[in-house]
Amino acid sequence: DGGITQSPKYLFRKEGQNVTLSCEQNLNHDAMYWYRQDPGQGLRLIYYSQIVNDFQKGDIAEGYSVSREKKESFPLTVTSAQKNPTAFYLCASSMGQKNQPQHFGDGTRLSIL
Amino acid sequence: QQQVKQSPQSLIVQKGGISIINCAYENTAFDYFPWYQQFPGKGPALLIAIRPDVSEKKEGRFTISFNKSAKQFSLHIMDSQPGDSATYFCAARGTSYGKLTFGQGTILTVHP
Repeated sequence: DGGITQSPKYLFRKEGQNVTLSCEQNLNHDAMYWYRQDPGQGLRLIYYSQIVNDFQKGDIAEGYSVSREKKESFPLTVTSAQKNPTAFYLCASSMGQKNQPQHFGDGTRLSIL
Repeated sequence: QQQVKQSPQSLIVQKGGISIINCAYENTAFDYFPWYQQFPGKGPALLIAIRPDVSEKKEGRFTISFNKSAKQFSLHIMDSQPGDSATYFCAARGTSYGKLTFGQGTILTVHP
């Protein structure tokens, strides 16, 4: 089945540690996105990528980094500079053309030890 | 101007009733308005979407009503069922390539 796979489902980070969240899609979508979800705040865009080797900052990019070396993969690194990393992280993808729907993975929940 | 305001934060409805969730926006550049449904521990799933040249769109028990002049749109769930209990998000997409702005979410509980 085509879809978006996020791993791991749960992740724990120690103080001062960088962690990387994986996102893989087999939908042949051009665009990929990372969102952060906090209770009562909806989804906020961290980074997005329209094509391989290109990405743009979203609304809350500070403390995060991404790469897009392959069309299928868009990993997110939560760096030690992100002081409040505890959240539910969601990856999405779309065909990239305007008005094409975004499809979401099932998320990674990151907590601080 | 990029915000999408969603209400209510939570909603309790009896089985068979109508659930109504409202969203308002200010940015007139928004031109695509999807609704997502999210169950606990899962990612949001696209439920239904509308463009501003249409005032209403219906898919099964789910209807979007769109008022362009008021810059408001709403989701109506007819004959609500306990299986509809989830968090619902409205969103809007503007001229930025693929970028969605989400509302804060509504937690819907349908009692049997």
